[in-house]
Amino acid sequence: KAGVTQTPRYLIKTRGQQVTLSCSPISGHRSVSWYQQTPGQGLQFLFEYFSETQRNKGNFPGRFSGRQFSNSRSEMNVSTLELGDSALYLCASSYSIAATNEKLFFGSGTQLSVL
Amino acid sequence: SQQGEEDPQALSIQEGENATMNCSYKTSINNLQWYRQNSGRGLVHLILIRSNEREKHSGRLRVTLDTSKKSSSLLITASRAADTASYFCATDGGSQGNLIFGKGTKLSVKP
Repeated sequence: KAGVTQTPRYLIKTRGQQVTLSCSPISGHRSVSWYQQTPGQGLQFLFEYFSETQRNKGNFPGRFSGRQFSNSRSEMNVSTLELGDSALYLCASSYSIAATNEKLFFGSGTQLSVL
Repeated sequence: SQQGEEDPQALSIQEGENATMNCSYKTSINNLQWYRQNSGRGLVHLILIRSNEREKHSGRLRVTLDTSKKSSSLLITASRAADTASYFCATDGGSQGNLIFGKGTKLSVKP
């Protein structure tokens, strides 16, 4: 069974640009969660999608958005990039909603650098 | 905001020694999980312990949970260089109904 796939692995953008990151969950998993990881803040929850619906959202500005498709693949978008958006973006999938008694399966992440 | 706080932030030991990491959290939980992350990679699930469990084992891993003290510990016995990684606890006490991760303990095992 293939694991969680995130693309691209690395990305370099400049301030003001926008970026789209992609996540393909494990086959059969319906929940996809996104996290931002930085050395200073650790892992910060962005949002979770379940069956194409955003289930919950963390404390991030509206520049951060996402969606989930009918095949459970998910994308997240960051518009008007800022230097502080430089981070490792991780997605994780699970069969049911993330906060239930289920473990999360993580992708390898997308390392975003904003110059 | 962080729910879990790991202690210590960094730990350096020799191969063969045991490593103990602690996690404290603030709100009531249904379960607590431990994950490992190798440098710059995704997290890998290690073990899940439910609020009605006190101890759980998986191979060289032993996790304890004390809900009265709102704390958990992860013990890795007979550590190996391959155990070098960051270890995170995660709880389901997020206000948005999400899993919340601590900032992690960075473990270095020297051969």
